[in-house]
Amino acid sequence: GQQLNQSPQSMFIQEGEDVSMNCTSSSIFNTWLWYKQDPGEGPVLLIALYKAGELTSNGRLTAQFGITRKDSFLNISASIPSDVGIYFCAGQGRSGNTPLVFGKGTRLSVIA
Amino acid sequence: GAGVSQSPSNKVTEKGKDVELRCDPISGHTALYWYRQRLGQGLEFLIYFQGNSAPDKSGLPSDRFSAERTGESVSTLTIQRTQQEDSAVYLCASSPGTGPSFYGYTFGSGTRLTVV
Repeated sequence: GQQLNQSPQSMFIQEGEDVSMNCTSSSIFNTWLWYKQDPGEGPVLLIALYKAGELTSNGRLTAQFGITRKDSFLNISASIPSDVGIYFCAGQGRSGNTPLVFGKGTRLSVIA
Repeated sequence: GAGVSQSPSNKVTEKGKDVELRCDPISGHTALYWYRQRLGQGLEFLIYFQGNSAPDKSGLPSDRFSAERTGESVSTLTIQRTQQEDSAVYLCASSPGTGPSFYGYTFGSGTRLTVV
């Protein structure tokens, strides 16, 4: 089945630093999404991308849908302690009826 | 309700017992999904319901797993004869339609299942 390769697996950064993480796939996705999961909670949607090449921002978060439709990245600028958590990329294939495929997550730790 | 509600939040069960996990989706959401998240892992798709269509069961790992949904409301995920490898967080999500185009999925907080 479809798989997403997400990297890095984990990151330790200083407060105020910028963060970048990405996802790649061997197959094409029509939609890319980025979620954040806090401990003991379900993932929460951060950004959704619907068009190849699309660049979307949500506050300090910026995400891009790769031109080939096989990759996406998420940047977080000026990190703060509450950015700590696990970030997941997710993709949906050509058919709108297929469930989302998730990456394995990037665990972000922010050192104050 | 305002969000996706799952119960119980935690469940400890003995190996070999059956368990039922419940999900109450957002009112009006026609699509409902179950995912499994093992410790330190990503989300693994289990099953998907869309309205009155036949569910997509392609992610169920074995015939010990089954799920039901009544109309567009509550869903239950049943695991029979639980094994230790079933220990995980089981996440339920709902969405207004078949794709995430407008809202993405809204997830519940999950049920943490521990099989001892």
